[in-house]
Amino acid sequence: NAGVTQTPKFRVLKTGQSMTLLCAQDMNHEYMYWYRQDPGMGLRLIHYSVGEGTTAKGEVPDGYNVSRLKKQNFLLGLESAAPSQTSVYFCASSPFPYEQYFGPGTRLTVT
Amino acid sequence: AQSVTQLDSQVPVFEEAPVELRCNYSSSVSVYLFWYVQYPNQGLQLLLKYLSGSTLVESINGFEAEFNKSQTSFHLRKPSVHISDTAEYFCAVSDHRLTGGGNKLTFGTGTQLKVEL
Repeated sequence: NAGVTQTPKFRVLKTGQSMTLLCAQDMNHEYMYWYRQDPGMGLRLIHYSVGEGTTAKGEVPDGYNVSRLKKQNFLLGLESAAPSQTSVYFCASSPFPYEQYFGPGTRLTVT
Repeated sequence: AQSVTQLDSQVPVFEEAPVELRCNYSSSVSVYLFWYVQYPNQGLQLLLKYLSGSTLVESINGFEAEFNKSQTSFHLRKPSVHISDTAEYFCAVSDHRLTGGGNKLTFGTGTQLKVEL
């Protein structure tokens, strides 16, 4: 039981490049979330999903897209990376109404 | 809308001393409350949670938090800290209602606990 895993762990992009972050969970959770963590700002919700095939916007969705084609996977895409998207990205999953389980994070730098 | 306030961004404390990390929340509905801990270069781990029942909740490593509805607080305490408790601690609140929107968490900005010898 691996819990929540994230791929990749680190990535450096140039401005304008695109990439996809993969989150996978093996706990059969319905709900999945993408957050970004920036110094002094805590975690902010980017997008979330309440089930396979569904997605919804969180607090800071601009510049990101997501897909949940399979229950166990939640993908976060950056179509045209900007330096403001330099951050640590965390994925989480949850069996409502209980706590969320977090992945180890992806550290993204956009130059 | 909900919000969480962690008034202290950093708390230095000597080993074996007691510590309190403060958390206040604002919400117009009933909430679930959580404390998460983040060790350097790692993800967040659940430390303890309040869902219902006893307002005093405890973790396996000696932390406790008390839900105070009248003061809208959920302060985290430990009577004697260890050097290994050095980490960042996040308070979070989740809407109690079954809105179909998932139990979205609203996080505080975090408190860095630094335990010194």
